[in-house]
Amino acid sequence: DAGVIQSPRHEVTEMGQEVTLRCKPISGHNSLFWYRQTMMRGLELLIYFNNNVPIDDSGMPEDRFSAKMPNASFSTLKIQPSEPRDSAVYFCASSFGGGAYGYTFGSGTRLTVV
Amino acid sequence: AQSVTQLGSHVSVSEGALVLLRCNYSSSVPPYLFWYVQYPNQGLQLLLKYTTGATLVKGINGFEAEFKKSETSFHLTKPSAHMSDAAEYFCAVSGAGGTSYGKLTFGQGTILTVHP
Repeated sequence: DAGVIQSPRHEVTEMGQEVTLRCKPISGHNSLFWYRQTMMRGLELLIYFNNNVPIDDSGMPEDRFSAKMPNASFSTLKIQPSEPRDSAVYFCASSFGGGAYGYTFGSGTRLTVV
Repeated sequence: AQSVTQLGSHVSVSEGALVLLRCNYSSSVPPYLFWYVQYPNQGLQLLLKYTTGATLVKGINGFEAEFKKSETSFHLTKPSAHMSDAAEYFCAVSGAGGTSYGKLTFGQGTILTVHP
């Protein structure tokens, strides 16, 4: 398996633009997570899905952020409009069995909003 | 609800010395516990995990951790540090049931520095 695949690896955008981050989980995993990592706040859970259904989105910062999982093999995290404070590394992770077998992380997307 | 506290944001050891990174957790249900390592500009790599069974778990690169329920701790150790161990280490917890089922929560991380 190729692991959790995120794209793009790097994204530089101007303030106010829409940004879409993409994630392909490991085949057979039924849970998917989006995390944001910054120096100030560490690793924050933004949202997670179980069987393609959003279970907990309490970590989503505000309405500018939205996430979807239209099927078991694809998820997106969208920021519209983007702001400089959204600059961070965004990680996607997937798991099976409620995490009993561990969580596998993608390589992350480094987002810079100028 | 669940949470993780890592004691010490920075730990510095000499090469060959014992590594001890401390982690305490809070969970209202039996926890699953994890240690991840992150090298600069890279993603998170699983070092080891505790789910059920033996409370002393061994991971990659010579690391091990012991689950102590009475102390709500899951400290990470390595008998002899190597220069290549320099990285940031994250302790994490998820719930084996209840409302925290499957939800992975991280500590703030501990940066390990290894001196020659």
